Amino acid sequence: DVKVTQSSRYLVKRTGEKVFLECVQDMDHENMFWYRQDPGLGLRLIYFSYDVKMKEKGDIPEGYSVSREKKERFSLILESASTNQTSMYLCASSFNDLNTEAFFGQGTRLTVV
Amino acid sequence: QQQVKQSPQSLIVQKGGIPIINCAYENTAFDYFPWYQQFPGKGPALLIAIRPDVSEKKEGRFTISFNKSAKQFSLHIMDSQPGDSATYFCAASLMEYGNKLVFGAGTILRVKS
Repeated sequence: DVKVTQSSRYLVKRTGEKVFLECVQDMDHENMFWYRQDPGLGLRLIYFSYDVKMKEKGDIPEGYSVSREKKERFSLILESASTNQTSMYLCASSFNDLNTEAFFGQGTRLTVV
Repeated sequence: QQQVKQSPQSLIVQKGGIPIINCAYENTAFDYFPWYQQFPGKGPALLIAIRPDVSEKKEGRFTISFNKSAKQFSLHIMDSQPGDSATYFCAASLMEYGNKLVFGAGTILRVKS
């Protein structure tokens, strides 16, 4: 079974803290993604990576950065957490093939207080 | 344009009914159109997907209808069951852009028993 594992289900952080969200996949996928899910807005792409040390901005990258030092691991970093970053964060991975399925982790519910 | 517009926002049907969820897209270059199903507390999981050279695809009780000229596609759930109650997301992607999925806003489906 394909597994995408996010390190935390729930996180509560204070405004201004630096926050790390970790994601690991075990299927040797080239592509990895970070999405943010908010009610009524669907899933919006923050960053994605198609190879180790490669990254590209998605639709809402402001306030976020990412790191991919190993193929199986993709980290999302909130440089200085703000209350408007309270959300559900979803990591996904896929092969870089035509019509390939993306597999999602279970999500991290982040609350910034 | 990278948007995918999804409707309705929520839907309640009786058991055995046929809920229909609609999506429209702008970018004619999209080459893959998946539907994802998400249960509370879980990440989205692929339900069914279609390519633009096919007008309909059926898997079990789930059918995608695709209208390339109208740039629209829809999900039909035959003989709906309470266990189908979930949030459904349509999406579109383009392999040229690393298979980044562009998601609709989601539809919350409730099937009443």
